[in-house]
Amino acid sequence: GENVEQHPSTLSVQEGDSAVIKCTYSDSASNYFPWYKQELGKGPQLIIDIRSNVGEKKDQRIAVTLNKTAKHFSLHITETQPEDSAVYFCAASPMRALTFGSGTRLQVQP
Amino acid sequence: DTGVSQNPRHKITKRGQNVTFRCDPISEHNRLYWYRQTLGQGPEFLTYFQNEAQLEKSRLLSDRFSAERPKGSFSTLEIQRTEQGDSAMYLCASSLEYRRNSPLHFGNGTRLTVT
Repeated sequence: GENVEQHPSTLSVQEGDSAVIKCTYSDSASNYFPWYKQELGKGPQLIIDIRSNVGEKKDQRIAVTLNKTAKHFSLHITETQPEDSAVYFCAASPMRALTFGSGTRLQVQP
Repeated sequence: DTGVSQNPRHKITKRGQNVTFRCDPISEHNRLYWYRQTLGQGPEFLTYFQNEAQLEKSRLLSDRFSAERPKGSFSTLEIQRTEQGDSAMYLCASSLEYRRNSPLHFGNGTRLTVT
């Protein structure tokens, strides 16, 4: 089955700096790669996703890149704000349900 | 769109007891998923339904676990003879599967503590 590895496990940045989270996947059949943000006591919330026929996607301060050859994808957050502090999960899907990474705890210091 | 609703939010039970959780998906969504999340980990897939049909079950779903989605609307997840290792957050998600890999919308989960 699919295996998704995510790093770093924790990331601390100053407000206004950029943050990058990286994931690798194992199943070459995976073709859908969403990113979720999870705040304390809440379920994961989709923030951006990318499909395998696209190399990069942007939504305001958030961007995701995908390298299918290397089987890795990354989340980039620019101009970070304190409200970006949360746990971020990457996920990959070949045909069925999503397989999630283990999460990155992002702390944005004011 | 009221989102995915899960009840109860918290459940504390003694080892050996049975528990049942309920999930109400977004009304027009035809797919419903159950995931389990332990502290410091990402969600792990348990099972999913397309309408009322249960299409896939993870090997994590032991014989003590059963899920139903009668009439393709709400779903229930029952755990029989609970064990301390069952303590986790149980997440429900739904999607409108009009093409492969439609986005999943999660509820806020039911946190189970087995004492």
